Amino acid sequence: QQQVKQSPQSLIVQKGGISIINCAYENTAFDYFPWYQQFPGKGPALLIAIRPDVSEKKEGRFTISFNKSAKQFSLHIMDSQPGDSATYFCAATQGGANNLFFGTGTRLTVIP
Amino acid sequence: NAGVTQTPKFRILKIGQSMTLQCAQDMNHNYMYWYRQDPGMGLKLIYYSVGAGITDKGEVPNGYNVSRSTTEDFPLRLELAAPSQTSVYFCASSYGQKNTGELFFGEGSRLTVL
Repeated sequence: QQQVKQSPQSLIVQKGGISIINCAYENTAFDYFPWYQQFPGKGPALLIAIRPDVSEKKEGRFTISFNKSAKQFSLHIMDSQPGDSATYFCAATQGGANNLFFGTGTRLTVIP
Repeated sequence: NAGVTQTPKFRILKIGQSMTLQCAQDMNHNYMYWYRQDPGMGLKLIYYSVGAGITDKGEVPNGYNVSRSTTEDFPLRLELAAPSQTSVYFCASSYGQKNTGELFFGEGSRLTVL
């Protein structure tokens, strides 16, 4: 059973556009929601994370929107660049990294 | 500062063979993890360790074994390799006390079982 459901599976965006990736969860005990970015041939790396006591977190061009009542959260990449082309994973945990559940990933391609 | 180092990067095994994937970290992290990544499936936790001498099963532990004799090293052992173990394996580590969910990953080991 997939604890965190992620969509879309793949996404193609023009340079300068907005990329949006969505995730949903069922376990209301989850208390930390990170997003990881993975480039080909590399391991995932933490991009941005949010806790459920805030509805939005922004770091540069990357923003997480969090809807606690709907049990959904999303990643928005503003002014998308070709260098953002990567696979993005959402995740959720209750109690720490030893209990981290990943989404299935979204492959983002930003076209110049 | 090397971070998390995995070896080998690529390996082909025959069915029934055994091997060990090596993982070492130089960040003095207490927590270490092994994940496997399959296309369209995300990352699944195989085993984790909260410190030297302590290991525990994750979501998909069958067919694997681990040990943690030192803080730095966390090898993953595959016994009697099967085609279902064809995957990319990632080792990761994290801080122990404030376990916020931030993992530091190695670059992966791609294993093919034929």
